[in-house]
Amino acid sequence: KAGVTQTPRYLIKTRGQQVTLSCSPISGHRSVSWYQQTPGQGLQFLFEYFSETQRNKGNFPGRFSGRQFSNSRSEMNVSTLELGDSALYLCASTPWGQGMNTEAFFGQGTRLTVV
Amino acid sequence: EDKVVQSPLSLVVHEGDTVTLNCSYEVTNFRSLLWYKQEKKAPTFLFMLTSSGIEKKSGRLSSILDKKELFSILNITATQTGDSAVYLCAVVSGAGSYQLTFGKGTKLSVIP
Repeated sequence: KAGVTQTPRYLIKTRGQQVTLSCSPISGHRSVSWYQQTPGQGLQFLFEYFSETQRNKGNFPGRFSGRQFSNSRSEMNVSTLELGDSALYLCASTPWGQGMNTEAFFGQGTRLTVV
Repeated sequence: EDKVVQSPLSLVVHEGDTVTLNCSYEVTNFRSLLWYKQEKKAPTFLFMLTSSGIEKKSGRLSSILDKKELFSILNITATQTGDSAVYLCAVVSGAGSYQLTFGKGTKLSVIP
């Protein structure tokens, strides 16, 4: 079974630009969540999608958005990039369903550098 | 606001030592506690704990959860240089969604 795939692996963008990151979950997994990892703040929850619906959102500004497609693939978008958005963005998929306890499986991440 | 605190934040030990990593939490709608190891990019799963007092073991690693006192520990015996990594504790919460709240991690360095 293929793991969680994130593309691209590395990105360099200029302040003010926008960026789109992609995540393909493990086949059969319908829940996809996104996390931002920085040295100062650690891993912070951005949002979670299940069956194309955003079910939960972390404490991030509206510049951070996402969506999920019918094949469970997900994208996140960051508009008007700021230097502080430089981070490792990790995507995780789970087979989560109501009442299930399960671990999350992580992709290799996208390293975003804003200059 | 959900909170997970890990200690220590960093630790340097010699090969063969035993280490104990700590994780305390305060979350609403607790579902489970997860331990991950992160070496380069992707955190890799170690343990999932849902019930108090039941130890999970995998080789030299073991972990236990105390739901009354709201903490978990991860033990690594006979450490090796390959155990050098950041160990992350995360709590699964959310009544109708899947959300992980992470601690800042413990950076373990094992020197020969």
